[in-house]
Parts: sequence; structure tokens; C-alpha cells
Amino acid sequence: QSVLTQPPSVSGAPGQRVTISCTGSSSNIGAGYDVHWYQQLPGKAPKLLIYGNSNRPSGVPDRFSVSKSGTSASLAITGLQAEDEADYYCQSYDTSLSGSWVFGGGTKLTVL
Amino acid sequence: EVQVVESGGGLVQPGGFLRLSCVASGFTFSSYEMTWVRQAPGKGLDWVSYISSSGSTIYYTDSVKGRFTISRDNAKNSLYLQMNSLRAEDTAVYYCARAYVYYDSSGLKNDAFDIWGQGTMVTVSS
Repeated sequence: QSVLTQPPSVSGAPGQRVTISCTGSSSNIGAGYDVHWYQQLPGKAPKLLIYGNSNRPSGVPDRFSVSKSGTSASLAITGLQAEDEADYYCQSYDTSLSGSWVFGGGTKLTVL
Repeated sequence: EVQVVESGGGLVQPGGFLRLSCVASGFTFSSYEMTWVRQAPGKGLDWVSYISSSGSTIYYTDSVKGRFTISRDNAKNSLYLQMNSLRAEDTAVYYCARAYVYYDSSGLKNDAFDIWGQGTMVTVSS
């Protein structure tokens, strides 16, 4: 059971928009900590996709955006492309334990 | 090129030990906090341990406390994870990751893991 809750899977057709939710609690997202998102392509290491308020590392297209409200956050992907098919993870910091970084369980994005 | 490269994984029997290494290049290693994250086969990401840039502050996830020890040698641009009393549930790919630290408008410290290695596989089995 992950501290941050994500849907196991989402899907969309090329060109469509999909969103992936990440639900936490008052000890992590609700405490004001930023949510970061990672993309893991099949058989590859995770890659930082977006951190904080839609800050994208170099090379990440602006088709990826985020929002945050209360104890939840969301990743939105517009103009879906076949290369976006991957696992996506949200991550934040949790204050319930001293020094605790937490991940969501991951969401498998399928491009139909 | 900014990168980190892990090594040291392998097959070990329950109760055994392994030492993972992570060598950094392309950035000033001594200025960055570092972390280990693992991923069991077919499962999600699981944070394991964190160490501050100087090595003075260390944290572990509960399931490895007392068994794993994180350390670093800034002179060698290296991060380590000593894993003792290994259990079957420790079987995973272990990733070394650099922590990008920033403070938001309210002064809250945030860490995003911006550079990841390719991972090293640890299998605990008899």
C-alpha cells in the first residue's frame, strides 16, 4: 500500500489528453510539499519529468503539465503520442516519519 | 555528461550481505544530497535511504533500518549502500539518484530526484 495513491492504469488515443491523479494526505501533499513526477519507459530507469509547479527538465515537452490542490495532484498529458506509453510515478515528502520520501504506486499509460 | 553509475548487485543467500556502489561524474558530487531507491520485480518505486551532501544526516525507510548503511566518499565521488541480513523481500533493482534540492515560496525544502543511474539488480534467494 503506497502512501500516495495513483490509478493503476489509464489509456488514451493518440492526440488525446489524459490525466493521472496522485492522492496523498495532510502529512505529505497537504502539508505543502511539492509533488514530482517521473516517467519510466519499459526496461529503463525512471526519469524526472516535472518537479514542483510545472518545472520541466531540459528536453521535456510542454505537453506535460501538473496541478495541485489540497492533498492531491495531477499530471496532464496533451497531444498523446505513442512514445508516451510508460509508467508514471508521483513522489513527495512525508512528515509522518523522520526523513521519508514517498512514491505513488505508479500508473501504466497505454496509448491505444 | 552528468551521470551516476551503480554496481555491486548480484545473487546472495538470505542472511547474506552486499555492498552497492554508485560513482558520479559530470557534477560536483560533494554539493548534492543523494538517495537510493529500489524497485522490486514488476512493482513500483520504493525510497530506501538518503544522505546529506556532507554525510552528516542520514535517513532510512523502516524496513531496512538496522540492516542497511548508506555512506559516501566525496573525494571519490562515490555513494555506497552496505546491505546486511538480506531478505527475500529486498530483491529489487537498486537505483542511485541525485537529489535536486530547492525551497518553495514558503521556505519549505523540497527534493526531486533528477539524475538516476541504470540500476543494479539484487537477488536474495537460496
